Formats: sequence, structure tokens, C-alpha cells
Amino acid sequence: AQSVTQPDIHITVSEGASLELRCNYSYGATPYLFWYVQSPGQGLQLLLKYFSGDTLVQGIKGFEAEFKRSQSSFNLRKPSVHWSDAAEYFCAVGLMEYGNKLVFGAGTILRVKS
Amino acid sequence: NAGVTQTPKFRVLKTGQSMTLLCAQDMNHEYMYWYRQDPGMGLRLIHYSVGEGTTAKGEVPDGYNVSRLKKQNFLLGLESAAPSQTSVYFCAGSSGTGTTCTFGSGTRLTVV
Repeated sequence: AQSVTQPDIHITVSEGASLELRCNYSYGATPYLFWYVQSPGQGLQLLLKYFSGDTLVQGIKGFEAEFKRSQSSFNLRKPSVHWSDAAEYFCAVGLMEYGNKLVFGAGTILRVKS
Repeated sequence: NAGVTQTPKFRVLKTGQSMTLLCAQDMNHEYMYWYRQDPGMGLRLIHYSVGEGTTAKGEVPDGYNVSRLKKQNFLLGLESAAPSQTSVYFCAGSSGTGTTCTFGSGTRLTVV
């Protein structure tokens, strides 16, 4: 069955430090991959997506992610974290053969220390 | 440009009551989805629709029904609410394979 694993439930980083959030997926076909961010009490905002082509994708707010097929991973990175990045981050895989529905990971809560 | 709009935003129900959540979109999305979000579990798909008049079960469909009579609306019904249905519900729409989903702002439902 298709699944997405985000191994880290919580991550705390200092403002200005680099960030990497991990995501591993299980899916038999070529995946469509997404990262969403959710601030407390808010909806989901798309950070970036991978459909095909260049395996390093750039997103909004200075985020990037790298698709590694051999590792079934799609890790999210940011070189310098800002206090406003504190939020919950969700990785998701899109299932083409099932109406493009999304399977989400459990999320990673990012805390930023000043 | 409203996008994907969910009503209501908040609701408290008593066990056994029924209610309908409305999702309306003005983005001409062919596909629409209802997810629920629970702490530590991410978002899980309840039901989805690949076009007007169609519906399909997702990962956690029990206790819910849906209808897509018009392309722009996707309704989620709870016939007899249970405390286990306390959750935040998100509606989303997309234009099909290879496109991104646009999410509504959510409905926080509490069943007491």
C-alpha cells in the first residue's frame, strides 16, 4: 500500500541554522511528491512539488527539496531558518491512478529557537 | 477570487446529531476531496470525487456520506455524529493528474 513516512515528529532548530525535514514514501509508480506547510489554526499551503525532471526543486519561502528515487526520499531543506518558519510540515504523495488523491505523512512540527 | 470555501468554520454537535459540511469551489476543479486531520496522523482521505455525479471511498469513509450533484460543490454528511468524528475537516480540489490540490481553510468539528 502507498504510504508516506516522516520520521521526525518534532524538530527544534535555532534561528539562522539550516533545516532538513525527512520524508520517505512507498509507491510503486513514479510519484508526484509535495510538501505543504500549515501554521496553527490555518489551512495547508503548498511549498513545492515534484512531478518530473530536475530532482532538485525550488519552492516558496526559500525552501527546496530533493527527490532521490534510489532512497524513496523527498527531503525538504532550507539553508537559514527564520522564526516565521515555525509550523507543521507535511509531505505527501499523489496517486495518479486514484483520482490524483494525496497520501500524507503524519507531519513534522518545527520549532524555531531565537 | 474565493478558491475553495468551506462552511461552517466551526461546529459543535451532540452525539447522534447529523450535519452537512459544504465545500464550494470556483476554480473549475474536476476532482474534489474531503480529508480529516487528527493530531499525529496527518490528513486522511474520507471520500473523493473525480467529476460531477461521481463519488468514491477514501481511506476512512465509515460514518460519512458525500454528494457531488454540481461540479462546484462537494458535500460531506454525518448522519449520526460520534465523538470519534471530532476532527478538523479539509476540502480540496484539483484539476486532475499532475496538478496541485488547493485546500480550503478547514472546519473544526467537535462532537460531545
